[in-house]
Amino acid sequence: QKEVEQNSGPLSVPEGAIASLNCTYSDRGSQSFFWYRQYSGKSPELIMSIYSNGDKEDGRFTAQLNKASQYVSLLIRDSQPSDSATYLCAVNGRYGNNRLAFGKGNQVVVIP
Amino acid sequence: SQTIHQWPATLVQPVGSPLSLECTVEGTSNPNLYWYRQAAGRGLQLLFYSVGIGQISSEVPQNLSASRPQDRQFILSSKKLLLSDSGFYLCAWSVRPTEAFFGQGTRLTVV
Repeated sequence: QKEVEQNSGPLSVPEGAIASLNCTYSDRGSQSFFWYRQYSGKSPELIMSIYSNGDKEDGRFTAQLNKASQYVSLLIRDSQPSDSATYLCAVNGRYGNNRLAFGKGNQVVVIP
Repeated sequence: SQTIHQWPATLVQPVGSPLSLECTVEGTSNPNLYWYRQAAGRGLQLLFYSVGIGQISSEVPQNLSASRPQDRQFILSSKKLLLSDSGFYLCAWSVRPTEAFFGQGTRLTVV
């Protein structure tokens, strides 16, 4: 099992719809979880971080964490063309572990 | 505020040539530092990370090496580049197990 998995293929959503992205991780002791957005040819930028079970909302973005099921998700509400990018899930390991591992990413295309 | 500098932005190198990429961080002390590589159409592969001066953890055995000669300086090197070393190299920093922030990246093409 890969350390961080994002299995969905490219996601096309109409403008104004909700985009939903999922990520699973293998280390049950993982403590910190992040979502990054990466535009083509650019470096990743942090959009959400979540550390405890439940939902965290920031503007049009909501991160959801379920440690028992070892998954973290990202919802993008009212999707805009500017949200078209690759979204990377990242997981930091057990407390004191300084590794930050990334999934391969999911491409989102918002259709005007 | 913290900033991270990574250079050069693009690099074209012949096979067998050496490599040196440098990354420096400003505005923070004793950060964790990371080198990632992203091949075309693929995810981020962790190459090295460092929790302090002279402390390097290697993730993938290959012809690359990393060094941290100063607290806020991280260098990625190779003695002889391979075609497979082409990719987008990213340096990042974090303060312990929290979010990481990336430099602008170096796009390396080995020809």
